[in-house]
Amino acid sequence: SAVISQKPSRDICQRGTSLTIQCQVDSQVTMMFWYRQQPGQSLTLIATANQGSEATYESGFVIDKFPISRPNLTFSTLTVSNMSPEDSSIYLCSVPGTKKTYNEQFFGPGTRLTVL
Amino acid sequence: TQLLEQSPQFLSIQEGENLTVYCNSSSVFSSLQWYRQEPGEGPVLLVTVVTGGEVKKLKRLTFQFGDARKDSSLHITAAQPGDTGLYLCAGNSNSGYALNFGKGTSLLVTP
Repeated sequence: SAVISQKPSRDICQRGTSLTIQCQVDSQVTMMFWYRQQPGQSLTLIATANQGSEATYESGFVIDKFPISRPNLTFSTLTVSNMSPEDSSIYLCSVPGTKKTYNEQFFGPGTRLTVL
Repeated sequence: TQLLEQSPQFLSIQEGENLTVYCNSSSVFSSLQWYRQEPGEGPVLLVTVVTGGEVKKLKRLTFQFGDARKDSSLHITAAQPGDTGLYLCAGNSNSGYALNFGKGTSLLVTP
């Protein structure tokens, strides 16, 4: 399984500011996923980030609010822009397993964001 | 979106008791995964079930995939405090590799 790290692990931000979350994987992967987990809720997919192409966003999420970068096969960033208290969540990145188990995913530890 | 309904939402039991968590959908899934998430951590994969009727065991945890591949269950025998956590079921979405998650079952096992 891949080892995934995220920075920062947590942050407290002011309304109207932006935060960029980093996700680093210890192996090269084609796809990376970004999820949001609101307090007491399950995980909701924000977007799929492929290296060398634009991210694909799920319904309800737009690039202006959650711009994503994918500069290489081991790294991605998610920016939460113009934050409001409703953006307070845990943000998680994940990668698929090996080809044979492509439907499994391995998650980073998450970034806990609080917006005041 | 293929919805996954989990029950119960919350479960508080004493050490040594048995429990079952359910994951149901009206959609057919090519596979379902079970994850456990502890506070401050990301979800950790426990098992993937692929074949209808499949049963997989992981120590005291038994996972079953329904014959029609629309539902799954997780049974824990003789629960221990270390089993405490949020149990999530997840299945592949129509878009391929991304996962749809159930809302989870929050389990608390007290000594």
